[in-house]
Amino acid sequence: GDSVTQMEGPVTLSEEAFLTINCTYTATGYPSLFWYVQYPGEGLQLLLKATKADDKGSNKGFEATYRKETTSFHLEKGSVQVSDSAVYFCALIFTGGFKTIFGAGTRLFVKA
Amino acid sequence: EADIYQTPRYLVIGTGKKITLECSQTMGHDKMYWYQQDPGMELHLIHYSYGVNSTEKGDLSSESTVSRIRTEHFPLTLESARPSHTSQYLCASSGPDRVIPTDTQYFGPGTRLTVL
Repeated sequence: GDSVTQMEGPVTLSEEAFLTINCTYTATGYPSLFWYVQYPGEGLQLLLKATKADDKGSNKGFEATYRKETTSFHLEKGSVQVSDSAVYFCALIFTGGFKTIFGAGTRLFVKA
Repeated sequence: EADIYQTPRYLVIGTGKKITLECSQTMGHDKMYWYQQDPGMELHLIHYSYGVNSTEKGDLSSESTVSRIRTEHFPLTLESARPSHTSQYLCASSGPDRVIPTDTQYFGPGTRLTVL
């Protein structure tokens, strides 16, 4: 079945370090891909998305590129801040589909 | 920005009480969802709805029930709360994005439930 696999956390970085959170997917078609962020005590917020191969989603300094050949959608940020500490979820949905399939989440800690 | 609201944000109650968690959205989305989540952990879909008068059970079995009488409203009810129900409950709705016709799911802020 369709699934999303994220790198296990927690990921601990110092401020201004480069961030990569890996996400790969298994799907029997061409889904849209998403990254959500969840800050402590809150719901999930949409961070960025991409709807077709080679699309790059970007927001707040975060980027992710839809790679069909490697079935990946890795999240990157050039210089993290303490305020980026949160849990990040990768997800997919098919056009016209109903359920969004979420990864297990990756917790990020950024130290000052 | 998504306009989806949940009340209460925090609830502490005793065992055996009946509770209803409220969820409302103003985006006109047909599809709505309830997830159960231990804080910062994996999401578990417990209920969803295609539209008015439609409700379905999700992937994780839950003793809660839902109703969908109006498009904008999707309340979740526990008839008799137990300590095992202690968790965070997230409501979401989805519909086509304004720019791209692909369903995007938007979440409310969550209700943190503690059953003593």
